[in-house]
Amino acid sequence: SSELTQDPAVSVALGQTVRITCQGDSLRSYYASWYQQKPGQAPVVVIYGKNNRPSGIPDRFSGSSSGNTASLTITGAQAEDEADYYCNSRDSSGNHWVFGGGTKLTVL
Amino acid sequence: EVQLVQSGAEVKKPGESLRISCKGSGYSFTSYWINWVRQMPGKGLEWMGRIDPIDSYTIYSPSFQGHVTISADKSISTAYLQWSSLKASDTAMYYCARPLDGDYSSWFDPWGQGTLVTVSS
Repeated sequence: SSELTQDPAVSVALGQTVRITCQGDSLRSYYASWYQQKPGQAPVVVIYGKNNRPSGIPDRFSGSSSGNTASLTITGAQAEDEADYYCNSRDSSGNHWVFGGGTKLTVL
Repeated sequence: EVQLVQSGAEVKKPGESLRISCKGSGYSFTSYWINWVRQMPGKGLEWMGRIDPIDSYTIYSPSFQGHVTISADKSISTAYLQWSSLKASDTAMYYCARPLDGDYSSWFDPWGQGTLVTVSS
């Protein structure tokens, strides 16, 4: 399968911890990368590889993986973390890329 | 600074042709592929395809094969996405992005700012 599946929406109380998951067969071969997209803006990578954060991404963002499931965890969610989050990886063939459907995160 | 700068918004009629561009700077353009990603209004990200600027070898998503053409001109560090006959369903934001690779991983960084294509009669 070349699909990645995400929950459409997740909510978290301000300052609490939230996990966003992504499932797909390709995740048994490749780590997922995670992108944050705020309204009217281009996506920005927040996690890549096993658990790497680009420069400028707060350390409250972390990633993990087990079997066919990748997870993005935000520890101590802030109001500015409210956004759409997408997972992405190469597909099982390695020649194409695939995105998850996206998760809309609401910070209450 | 590594960046991808895309051409401006376009408004076209059904049946018209269009080419949008993505210019790389701050890095060796021929050392990295360029990917194109579609985002229809209110929808998620969809990978369209990628090109290797050094030899213009291209791979398309099956969903987009035959509907768009990806090309590149390495002499001016620019990749292109083009349509020969636009449809209303091509209305979307289109992003280019540079893929980076690590151990069993691949990610897109940076992304262009996006080009909004509107197709309406």
